[in-house]
Amino acid sequence: GAVVSQHPSWVICKSGTSVKIECRSLDFQATTMFWYRQFPKQSLMLMATSNEGSKATYEQGVEKDKFLINHASLTLSTLTVTSAHPEDSSFYICSAEYINGGVMQYFGPGTRLTVL
Amino acid sequence: KQEVTQIPAALSVPEGENLVLNCSFTDSAIYNLQWFRQDPGKGLTSLLLIQSSQREQTSGRLNASLDKSSGRSTLYIAASQPGDSATYLCAGNNLYSGAGSYQLTFGKGTKLSVIP
Repeated sequence: GAVVSQHPSWVICKSGTSVKIECRSLDFQATTMFWYRQFPKQSLMLMATSNEGSKATYEQGVEKDKFLINHASLTLSTLTVTSAHPEDSSFYICSAEYINGGVMQYFGPGTRLTVL
Repeated sequence: KQEVTQIPAALSVPEGENLVLNCSFTDSAIYNLQWFRQDPGKGLTSLLLIQSSQREQTSGRLNASLDKSSGRSTLYIAASQPGDSATYLCAGNNLYSGAGSYQLTFGKGTKLSVIP
């Protein structure tokens, strides 16, 4: 149980286009989901906390107008990278919070974004 | 905010050796601490989770300890195998009132190479 999926697993796009990444909790409901970014040989950096039915909370330095987050349901959060540029190329990983006697995050497999 | 440091950044050992990976954190009000494994270009695999009330957790050849008073955790790997080669990430889970949620803060990881 507690499986999180991401789609797509990889995407290549031209500079200036927008890319949407989906994060789904497959067998549990998640009021809270998280979006992370990981540059090569770096650790995961939290970008934003996504809450179902309300606006996302962005970490300092993350542009909310560039990285649009929508938590439309208890099993789906989307991250849209708007007007992508080569510097946005990164590995994006989502996680979903699972509460069952304790609090844990389950992670998706990640999405590799390459902007040409 | 929580800061997590992992040393060493990289470690190379011969097959069969026992080894210890170190993780330190600054905020002792930790809810739980997790160790993850990440293979190149892949997502995260959760290895062990230690609740704040626990001192250690074991799974197979892995043993993780938590000492909140000193702000340290260790991951012990017994009888290392080439298949253990990966990057190991430590993450502290804390409650942040500003975001209204628990957040994981990751270290930069230790890249382990087990030489056959």
